[in-house]
Amino acid sequence: AQSVTQLGSHVSVSEGALVLLRCNYSSSVPPYLFWYVQYPNQGLQLLLKYTSAATLVKGINGFEAEFKKSETSFHLTKPSAHMSDAAEYFCAVSHGGSNYKLTFGKGTLLTVNP
Amino acid sequence: AAGVIQSPRHLIKEKRETATLKCYPIPRHDTVYWYQQGPGQDPQFLISFYEKMQSDKGSIPDRFSAQQFSDYHSELNMSSLELGDSALYFCASSPTTLVSDTDTQYFGPGTRLTVL
Repeated sequence: AQSVTQLGSHVSVSEGALVLLRCNYSSSVPPYLFWYVQYPNQGLQLLLKYTSAATLVKGINGFEAEFKKSETSFHLTKPSAHMSDAAEYFCAVSHGGSNYKLTFGKGTLLTVNP
Repeated sequence: AAGVIQSPRHLIKEKRETATLKCYPIPRHDTVYWYQQGPGQDPQFLISFYEKMQSDKGSIPDRFSAQQFSDYHSELNMSSLELGDSALYFCASSPTTLVSDTDTQYFGPGTRLTVL
């Protein structure tokens, strides 16, 4: 079965600092990987996704993630945190491409301090 | 651009009551997914439909049922509600065929169900 593990349920950074949210996956087949963001009391918004094309994926709001097969990782980064980045971030894996059910990690709450 | 519409946005029910949640996918999306997110939890896949047929099933209780209609909207029916059913229920939709590299599952805003 495919799964993702997010390391750190809570990450706190200062405004302007580097954001690094970690995600490792387990998959018996080449995975489709996603990062979603959830603001309080809102739905899930897609930040970016990896679908076996370029290993470095750029998303919205300045976020990017790099697929590293050797490390089974898909960490999310942003060079400079903004207050508006404070939210819950979920890494997810698809079982059969972009159009199959998603299995989510436990989520990482990002706090941005002024 | 049109998004996934869910109704109602908030629902309060008593234990043992029934509830019906509705989902209207993005136009021309023929696949619908339902997820349940408990308080402080990650979303869990419940069930999905493609062209009005159930395409996959996850951890959906037997008390729950769902269907997709001819206009592609979907309804999640929940009976004999329990306190533990209190959660945020998301619907997502996607086109079956990847038309572009950006096609994926698009989530609605969710329905917050509170069971008292």
